[in-house]
Amino acid sequence: GAVVSQHPSWVICKSGTSVKIECRSLDFQATTMFWYRQFPKQSLMLMATSNEGSKATYEQGVEKDKFLINHASLTLSTLTVTSAHPEDSSFYICSARTGSSNYGYTFGSGTRLTVV
Amino acid sequence: EDKVVQSPLSLVVHEGDTVTLNCSYEVTNFRSLLWYKQEKKAPTFLFMLTSSGIEKKSGRLSSILDKKELFSILNITATQTGDSAIYLCAVEGTSYGKLTFGQGTILTVHP
Repeated sequence: GAVVSQHPSWVICKSGTSVKIECRSLDFQATTMFWYRQFPKQSLMLMATSNEGSKATYEQGVEKDKFLINHASLTLSTLTVTSAHPEDSSFYICSARTGSSNYGYTFGSGTRLTVV
Repeated sequence: EDKVVQSPLSLVVHEGDTVTLNCSYEVTNFRSLLWYKQEKKAPTFLFMLTSSGIEKKSGRLSSILDKKELFSILNITATQTGDSAIYLCAVEGTSYGKLTFGQGTILTVHP
């Protein structure tokens, strides 16, 4: 089946620093990837849609200058949390549509970000 | 704005029990409804439903969609402790690829 690899699995950083999270589609091309955030005991909230070769589309309330998204190739999308603060601590997950009606959207393994 | 409501929010059962999880939705231009199982990390795909009345099955799990009444159910028969997880329902609407998730149902299966 389709696999989306996300790295790193967890990261701890100091306030004010930036963190980059990578999401790769391993056995298929993903022209579009999606970035979600999940706070403890809450559901997934879509942050932005990452489009290969063009600007990302951000959901209402998500700061595009804080959460930089780059989708430079058909298999790689990155999310950079800039000037991170403790309130940015969360679980970030990417996903991509596989193109198969049997698989829907495949998620990466997620990144647990802790800002101290 | 698209909306997904799951019930119950939590459920505790014993091994061997059968459970039914509910998902109701309001969405503009419905494309699909998806069920996911989330344990400690990212959600894993269970089912994708697009047509009413057609049951999808995978082992002890099954799901069906009612597009007229705008809901779906996920059934798990003969539950096992390994079924303990958060079960998420999501819908895809007008915006291709944008999934709106429900709050999830936390299922706990005791031995």
